This record gives sequence, C-alpha cells and structure tokens, in this order.
Amino acid sequence: DAGITQSPRHKVTETGTPVTLRCHQTENHRYMYWYRQDPGHGLRLIHYSYGVKDTDKGEVSDGYSVSRSKTEDFLLTLESATSSQTSVYFCAITGPNTGELFFGEGSRLTVL
Amino acid sequence: AQSVTQLDSQVPVFEEAPVELRCNYSSSVSVYLFWYVQYPNQGLQLLLKYLSGSTLVKGINGFEAEFNKSQTSFHLRKPSVHISDTAEYFCAVSHSGGGADGLTFGKGTHLIIQP
Repeated sequence: DAGITQSPRHKVTETGTPVTLRCHQTENHRYMYWYRQDPGHGLRLIHYSYGVKDTDKGEVSDGYSVSRSKTEDFLLTLESATSSQTSVYFCAITGPNTGELFFGEGSRLTVL
Repeated sequence: AQSVTQLDSQVPVFEEAPVELRCNYSSSVSVYLFWYVQYPNQGLQLLLKYLSGSTLVKGINGFEAEFNKSQTSFHLRKPSVHISDTAEYFCAVSHSGGGADGLTFGKGTHLIIQP
C-alpha cells in the first residue's frame, strides 16, 4: 500500500469555522492531489501540487486553499466552511510516469 | 479537455452471472484509462489500467476491460460475479504521458450483487 495518511479521518464542524485537512506521504512523490467525493458526482479535483510551494487549481477550487511547504505534506484549508463543503475528501499521489493515482483512506467532513 | 461518462449509475446482477460496466471517454489527445473500485467506507483501489499495447487488459479479482479507440470506450467486465464484488466502480482518464493535473473521473457505477 502507498504510504498516504490523512488526518483527521472524521470531523464535524459548524458553518463559518476554518478547517484544515492534512495529507502526509512517505513515498517522496512529487505530485499530490485533493479530491472531493459526493454522491452523483464521482470524484472532483480541488487542487493539486507539482512540487514544494507549487500548486494549481482544479475543477472545484472555490472556497478552498492549499499549501505544500514540504514534499511529504499537502494541506487543504477551508477558510470558512459552508454546508456545501460537507463531503468526503481524498488525498492522492501519483505513481511514476503513468498518471495512476494512489489514494488515502479519506476524510469525512460534516459542516452543520 | 477530457471527460468520462459512466452510462449506468447502478447495475444489479445476480451472483455468478456476468457483468459489464460501461465507460465512454472524450479526449482530443491520446489517453491512459483506469478502473478503480471503492468498497464501503474505504478509499479507491486500482482494478486495472490501459497505457498502450494490447487492448484487452486484465486486472485484479478476475476483472478485465477492453479499450476501443474507435468507440472511445473502456468497458469493464467480469464473467462471474460474487457477493464480495458489491462496490462502487469508477472509470478515469488521463493524458497519455501522465501529467500534473491528475485523473478525470466518471460519476461511478454502483454494482449490486443479488444472491
């Protein structure tokens, strides 16, 4: 199994509060991703990183920011959580050369 | 831009029957294609992938898929399903050669195995 750890695995928060989700990898991979999974929508890319301090927006980036200060850590921040951000969030890294993704176990976020 | 369409949101099948989960993609460039499986309350696990070469790709758990360039399809098949195959299945596409911008996923097909 790819060494990807997400924390927290479950979180309940209130509208308007900030939330940070952490993804930690032990594989030393350059590329890291944050996806959200919602029923009927599959997985949608929020942000991705192609190196330390190098990030870019995905399909559904509004309301989210990311940071990558070390190769192994990729943080996803919701500055002011809304109920529409209730979702399961997955971190992923790529395998070499093929674009294949390896996923973490997910972080379930509920915004009340 | 690329997109993936999974034609069935839900497929009920009796145990030991064959199954086909359909996937069509749209892309203006050459692609890599993937099928992932997600068991309840778990992350996604790679079932199989097509990068190049033979259009029939074999994966884990007895699944296989066939790449059809002319029909832009990558349908997943299994000749005999088991209760343990109950899961969500996702088709995904990326630009060939990999790339930084990750995979584009379909909306998923829920495979329901009936005893």
